[in-house]
Amino acid sequence: KAGVTQTPRYLIKTRGQQVTLSCSPISGHRSVSWYQQTPGQGLQFLFEYFSETQRNKGNFPGRFSGRQFSNSRSEMNVSTLELGDSALYLCASSQEAGGTFPGTEAFFGQGTRLTVV
Amino acid sequence: ILNVEQSPQSLHVQEGDSTNFTCSFPSSNFYALHWYRWETAKSPEALFVMTLNGDEKKKGRISATLNTKEGYSYLYIKGSQPEDSATYLCAFETGANNLFFGTGTRLTVIP
Repeated sequence: KAGVTQTPRYLIKTRGQQVTLSCSPISGHRSVSWYQQTPGQGLQFLFEYFSETQRNKGNFPGRFSGRQFSNSRSEMNVSTLELGDSALYLCASSQEAGGTFPGTEAFFGQGTRLTVV
Repeated sequence: ILNVEQSPQSLHVQEGDSTNFTCSFPSSNFYALHWYRWETAKSPEALFVMTLNGDEKKKGRISATLNTKEGYSYLYIKGSQPEDSATYLCAFETGANNLFFGTGTRLTVIP
């Protein structure tokens, strides 16, 4: 069974540009969550999508957005990039939506490392 | 924003030593506590998910305990090996399936 796939693995963008990251979940998983990791910080929750609907959103500005397609693949978009957006972005997939079954395991991709210059 | 704290931040142990780390989390609105191992350039790998107070889980030389009433979990590694070198993350799960992560404990096992 293929794991969670994130593309691209590395990305360099200029301040002010926008970027789109992609996440393909494990087959059969309908929930995709996105996290940001910056140096010295734990993984920070961005948002969760389930069956093409955003169910939850973390405390990030509106420049961060996402969507999910009918095949459960998800994209995350960051507009008007800032230097502080440089981070590792991880996505995780789960079989069930959040809160349905406590302790549902989340499987992570390897992440996309975004550098904003 | 929920506060999940892990200690120590980093740890160096000799091969063969046993070690343990702590994860502290809020004692209210608890759904589950997750432990992950994250090796450099790889995906975080789930080790344990615990949902009940008093839960103890074991996988090989690694085990974990959970105390939801006081809000802490311990991860133990018995007889550390170089391949155990990684960052160990804990994550507190609330009802909305947000995982609130600690900043991790970076373990280095010296051969």
